[in-house]
Amino acid sequence: DGGITQSPKYLFRKEGQNVTLSCEQNLNHDAMYWYRQDPGQGLRLIYYSQIVNDFQKGDIAEGYSVSREKKESFPLTVTSAQKNPTAFYLCASSISALVNTEAFFGQGTRLTVV
Amino acid sequence: KQEVTQIPAALSVPEGENLVLNCSFTDSAIYNLQWFRQDPGKGLTSLLLIQSSQREQTSGRLNASLDKSSGRSTLYIAASQPGDSATYLCAVSHYKLSFGAGTTVTVRA
Repeated sequence: DGGITQSPKYLFRKEGQNVTLSCEQNLNHDAMYWYRQDPGQGLRLIYYSQIVNDFQKGDIAEGYSVSREKKESFPLTVTSAQKNPTAFYLCASSISALVNTEAFFGQGTRLTVV
Repeated sequence: KQEVTQIPAALSVPEGENLVLNCSFTDSAIYNLQWFRQDPGKGLTSLLLIQSSQREQTSGRLNASLDKSSGRSTLYIAASQPGDSATYLCAVSHYKLSFGAGTTVTVRA
């Protein structure tokens, strides 16, 4: 089945730790995105990538890092510099960021600081 | 910066009633507008995509309109059912998606 797979579904982080969230897509999409969702708020863009080996900061990039070495994969690292990382993280992809294409989302990863 | 607003934040209706969900945005320079459904603890499911050149889009009981010049979109859900209970989000696209906070809908049996 084609789609976007996020793993793990639940993740727990200790203070001072870096953790990496996985996002894989087999839709052959060029563009991929990471969003953060907090209760009662809309989704906020962390990073996006329009093509392999290229990515741009979104609205709330501080404390996060990404890589885009393969078209299918766009992992997100939550670093110890992110002071309030507890949230629901959503990955998305679309054929292109430059034209009128539909975005598809994964099932999310819930990150909790313990 | 694009601002997207959804009103109301929550809505409760009896089964069978039609639903009307509103979305407004501040910058009309968009590629498209997309409506999503989100169930608790889950990802987003795409419902409808309206291109910037279109006025409306329909899928089954769902109909979405777009008035780009006034920065508004409306999602209509006909003859609501308890299974329609979810949070509905709209998002506008211009290189990236900008989201509203959503409208949480409860359909009472």
